[in-house]
Amino acid sequence: GQNIDQPTEMTATEGAIVQINCTYQTSGFNGLFWYQQHAGEAPTFLSYNVLDGLEEKGRFSSFLSRSKGYSYLLLKELQMKDSASYLCASMDSNYQLIWGAGTKLIIKP
Amino acid sequence: GAVVSQHPSWVICKSGTSVKIECRSLDFQATTMFWYRQFPKQSLMLMATSNEGSKATYEQGVEKDKFLINHASLTLSTLTVTSAHPEDSSFYICSALTDRSGTSPEMEQFFGPGTRLTVL
Repeated sequence: GQNIDQPTEMTATEGAIVQINCTYQTSGFNGLFWYQQHAGEAPTFLSYNVLDGLEEKGRFSSFLSRSKGYSYLLLKELQMKDSASYLCASMDSNYQLIWGAGTKLIIKP
Repeated sequence: GAVVSQHPSWVICKSGTSVKIECRSLDFQATTMFWYRQFPKQSLMLMATSNEGSKATYEQGVEKDKFLINHASLTLSTLTVTSAHPEDSSFYICSALTDRSGTSPEMEQFFGPGTRLTVL
């Protein structure tokens, strides 16, 4: 079946590093997306991984291991504005997205 | 990055009326667009996948006769909520998928800003 899991909530300190994990089971896997969503707003695209490895984009990096069905989003030098929900979603070969429930990230000063 | 617009951004209507929401990709063509709804403090729920020139594919539990989707062109998809009821009040979000094989990232999904529907 199709399944995707990520932690419900995480807390981190401003200036620190946080890693948000996501595990998935997807038939016909066609990539893994990460999105950021602030309350009351639409999600914004952060990253797309389809090959194994780490993709770095500024303070945010995303990692994928296809053999393990595992991805993580790494946020460095945390800022208060990074407080948001982070959604992972896997895509299947029919371009259907399977969404995680989102991880609410709370940044403390 | 690419821009997706939605109109209207918010709408209040009476029960029993129909509401049309437009989703446009402003500077790129999207063969595939998605429609989502999101209730407060919940994750996105995919309603349907819309492909230009063909009928939309609805997710299980979504009434196709109630939520009419028309993907008229490569830059426009519309969602019409027919005979709206208070339980249809939600945040409706569209997104457009780009598929650019050979570039990095190969695939990106851009979201519209969302439409907040309140049915009285």
